[in-house]
Amino acid sequence: QKEVEQDPGPLSVPEGAIVSLNCTYSNSAFQYFMWYRQYSRKGPELLMYTYSSGNKEDGRFTAQVDKSSKYISLFIRDSQPSDSATYLCAMSEGAQKLVFGQGTRLTINP
Amino acid sequence: SAVISQKPSRDICQRGTSLTIQCQVDSQVTMMFWYRQQPGQSLTLIATANQGSEATYESGFVIDKFPISRPNLTFSTLTVSNMSPEDSSIYLCSGTGGVVKFADTEAFFGQGTRLTVV
Repeated sequence: QKEVEQDPGPLSVPEGAIVSLNCTYSNSAFQYFMWYRQYSRKGPELLMYTYSSGNKEDGRFTAQVDKSSKYISLFIRDSQPSDSATYLCAMSEGAQKLVFGQGTRLTINP
Repeated sequence: SAVISQKPSRDICQRGTSLTIQCQVDSQVTMMFWYRQQPGQSLTLIATANQGSEATYESGFVIDKFPISRPNLTFSTLTVSNMSPEDSSIYLCSGTGGVVKFADTEAFFGQGTRLTVV
């Protein structure tokens, strides 16, 4: 079993839809949870950063962490074609190496 | 956020040769890491670059194949040695634990080096 599981997709939705991306994990020591967005031929770009359980909102993006279920989510509201990218979840125990999910390839259709 | 620059951005190399990738951060960071990303795949950690000491390698990666240097808090290099076509991949460096600029655990990435070995 992988330490972090993420549905690789691909996921295709119409413009304006609400997108839900999810990851599950097995290591209860993870404390820091991140979502990265990666456009084709670019490095990962930090999108959301959350410590421990709870919600965090930034514009159209909301990150949720449920440590009791070992489950994290990223919601994108009013999705735009420019949101089309691969989204990677990542986690760490502290100021250490990140463990990444496989990445979900998302396409927003105009 | 920090700006991380990698050079070269891409290269095509002959098998048996070596390539050194440079990573420069615009601010001091505590930790630097090197990752490999196969096409369409997620990131796999190669090693943690430790300032002033030998890098810490993950299972499956060895120093003879991927020597790493980190002379200070803003710079690191990764060398891919004696390359074979199986080394064709994207190599990414990452920095975290900003001394001044950003949260202790936020990790930022360079744009990657796309390596093709022929």
